[in-house]
Amino acid sequence: DVKVTQSSRYLVKRTGEKVFLECVQDMDHENMFWYRQDPGLGLRLIYFSYDVKMKEKGDIPEGYSVSREKKERFSLILESASTNQTSMYLCASGERGPGIPTDTQYFGPGTRLTVL
Amino acid sequence: TQLLEQSPQFLSIQEGENLTVYCNSSSVFSSLQWYRQEPGEGPVLLVTVVTGGEVKKLKRLTFQFGDARKDSSLHITAAQPGDTGLYLCAGTYNFNKFYFGSGTKLNVKP
Repeated sequence: DVKVTQSSRYLVKRTGEKVFLECVQDMDHENMFWYRQDPGLGLRLIYFSYDVKMKEKGDIPEGYSVSREKKERFSLILESASTNQTSMYLCASGERGPGIPTDTQYFGPGTRLTVL
Repeated sequence: TQLLEQSPQFLSIQEGENLTVYCNSSSVFSSLQWYRQEPGEGPVLLVTVVTGGEVKKLKRLTFQFGDARKDSSLHITAAQPGDTGLYLCAGTYNFNKFYFGSGTKLNVKP
């Protein structure tokens, strides 16, 4: 059974703190993604990675960075948390087809981050 | 501005009723996915459609991809309380990148 796990389900941090969100997948997928989900806005892509040590900016990368040192682990970093980064953060992974886009993403349960 | 527009945003119906949810775009997608998300959980993939005009059925759920691959619909027959959740569509045309709609929140009352 496929599994994507996220380090915390709920997290409360203070403005200015450095925040690490960890995601681990056990499916040997090449692609991993970080989204944030806000009411009325759907899921918005922050960053994605298609290989170890590779990363690509998504639609809203400002204020975030990522790290992929190992294939199974993709970390999202908020260098200096702000209140407008309060959100639900979702990690996903997917296979990379041979020459075609992957069409399946497996999501973790999400981390609800509150920045005070 | 959302690349994918979903309608309606909210839907509250009685058990046993039928409903249709729409996902529209001005862009052409190579594939389109539908997900269901329950409160406090991540989205779970229901189906992927890739061919214009394609129809897929999953028990009481029927998914259709528009002929021009710009839109899709999800029809639920005889809705049940277990169908309650947030339904999301997502399209892809750029290698490895997905674009999500804002979702339709469905509540099925017993």
